[in-house]
Order: sequence, then structure tokens, then C-alpha cells
Amino acid sequence: DVVMTQSPLSLPVTLGQPASISCRSSLGLVHSDGNTYLNWFQQRPGQSPRRLIYKVSNRDSGVPDRFSGSGSGTDFTLKISRVAAEDVGVYYCMQGTHWPPYTFGQGTKLEIK
Amino acid sequence: EVQLVESGGGLVQPGGSLRLSCVASGFTFSSYWMSWVRQAPGKGLEWVANIKQDGFDKYYVDSVKGRFTISRDNTKDSLYLQMNSLRAEDTAVYFCARDPFYYGAGSSGFDHWGQGTLVTVSS
Repeated sequence: DVVMTQSPLSLPVTLGQPASISCRSSLGLVHSDGNTYLNWFQQRPGQSPRRLIYKVSNRDSGVPDRFSGSGSGTDFTLKISRVAAEDVGVYYCMQGTHWPPYTFGQGTKLEIK
Repeated sequence: EVQLVESGGGLVQPGGSLRLSCVASGFTFSSYWMSWVRQAPGKGLEWVANIKQDGFDKYYVDSVKGRFTISRDNTKDSLYLQMNSLRAEDTAVYFCARDPFYYGAGSSGFDHWGQGTLVTVSS
């Protein structure tokens, strides 16, 4: 199974400051179709997960443009340009290239300092 | 508006069985793969199983193979998870999720999720 490793696991950030979460996979995530199926999810406290980014850098509808995804191969990053109060929660990366199973990172808990 | 509503969770003894249901609305259910994803209390997300549009192809995480069965009824826009031989480590919130996957590609992740249903396995 592909192991997804996130860092940091805890991320205290000051409102209005940038934040960055790293996700590394144990195998390269380029699919034979040429796409890279690395996706990011946000889970706010007490809520279901919500997809933010798919295929590395595609933002879902309604996701603020302060969220961006980048990376290639085995190294990926989720960036928040200016953290807002509503961004508090846990962020997960997930690979959909080498399945079954789909695998998630351990999660990164973002909190406001 | 896409909606996924799970039900069927509860308290069950180790070795017992439970059947989860998920009713979908707001999209053409029969056109999508569907998945179950679980989250143990205070822990991260774990994909459990998925099922093809026609219900014939099914895949599972190793830890539930032989114990859990995913199924669907496209006439009722419903997804199911039959869970047998339950263990304490199966205790989790179980989410139903729409999976925009198709053969020949990978998965772009789950674009819609239900609110989850809690399964507690304890004596």
C-alpha cells in the first residue's frame, strides 16, 4: 500500500499569516493516464470532510483562492496564503493513483495561535 | 443539491453484525462509483470499500475483507455496508462518499460526503 506522510501534524498559525502542509507518498503518484491523483480534504471541527483540491492543484467550487496545491512525483504541498478563522480544522492528503486501497495521510491539525 | 444520508449505526457486541445504509439524492446515483470511508474516534480517515456503478465490481481494504460487504440498489438510490464479525477496532464514524472514479484513471477523491453514522463495537 502507498504510505502518505504529512508534516507537520500540528500547525499553529497567526490569523492572516501563510500556512503550508507537506504530503509525501511512498510511491510516485503519476498514473498511467498521465494525471497525478493527489487530493486534499479539510475537516472542520464536528463536520464531515470536504474536498478542497483534486489532482494536485485543482480547486473545488466554492473553495477560496487563498488555498492552493502544488507538487509532483512524491512531494506535494497545500498552501494557505492568509489563514482565516474558518480554516481551523484537520487537513488530509489522499492518493487515488495506486489502489486499492486509496490511502490518506495522518492529518494536519491547523489551529490559530 | 447533492445529499448523502447515512443510517444504521449503533452499539453492537464484538462478533455481531450491522447494516449501514446511505440514501443519495440530487444526482444520478447509478452513474457514480460510491465508497465507504471511516474515522475512528479522534483518528484519521480510512477508506473501507467502493463499488462500481452497476454493483458488480467491489474493492475492500484488507482489514475488512471477508467480513464486510458493500452493495447498492440503484432503483432506490441507496448504498449499503453489511458488517459482520465486528471487532472493537471497527468502532468509527462511517461516511458514505461519492467517488468520481472510472476505470483507466485514478480517483480525484470524494467530492461529496454524508454526515456519517457512528458504529460502536463494545461489550
